[in-house]
Amino acid sequence: KAGVTQTPRYLIKTRGQQVTLSCSPISGHRSVSWYQQTPGQGLQFLFEYFSETQRNKGNFPGRFSGRQFSNSRSEMNVSTLELGDSALYLCASSSIQGATVREKLFFGSGTQLSVL
Amino acid sequence: DAKTTQPPSMDCAEGRAANLPCNHSTISGNEYVYWYRQIHSQGPQYIIHGLKNNETNEMASLIITEDRKSSTLILPHATLRDTAVYYCIVRPKTYRDDKIIFGKGTRLHILP
Repeated sequence: KAGVTQTPRYLIKTRGQQVTLSCSPISGHRSVSWYQQTPGQGLQFLFEYFSETQRNKGNFPGRFSGRQFSNSRSEMNVSTLELGDSALYLCASSSIQGATVREKLFFGSGTQLSVL
Repeated sequence: DAKTTQPPSMDCAEGRAANLPCNHSTISGNEYVYWYRQIHSQGPQYIIHGLKNNETNEMASLIITEDRKSSTLILPHATLRDTAVYYCIVRPKTYRDDKIIFGKGTRLHILP
């Protein structure tokens, strides 16, 4: 099985621009979650999607948004980029079986975003 | 805020057992303990998880104290490839409020 695929691998943007990152989960996985990783704050949870619905959300401003498509692929968008948005953005998928079973997360290699 | 507390860094000699502690004193009865590790410039990798019993798999062992307020991840024979940041996290049994707080983890250095 192919792993979690994130595109692009690297991205350079300038302040004020917006950016869209893509994540293709492992085949059959219906849950996708997104994380921001910076040297100062570590690995922080952004949001989680399951069956095209956002189920959980971290403490990030509304500039950070996401969506999930019917094939479980997910995108996250950051509008009005700030210098502090420079980070590694990771997504993870899991094969959640219903609402109550905890399954392990499989992570992609991430998208390294640099805001100039 | 993280629900777990880990030492920022640890050293271990190659070939020895690496014992990584984690404190999760506010864990509730419906929360699992998970361990992941992240090797430089890669996404985190699942290692092991448990609820209240000790667990072992091909990568590691997880020892959870009887009161469930702390746990230890054991890498039985550490190699240089085990150099990574190790994260201990707690996750509820259900998806509700599952915000997956990773914290800063423990940077494990395996010394040759």
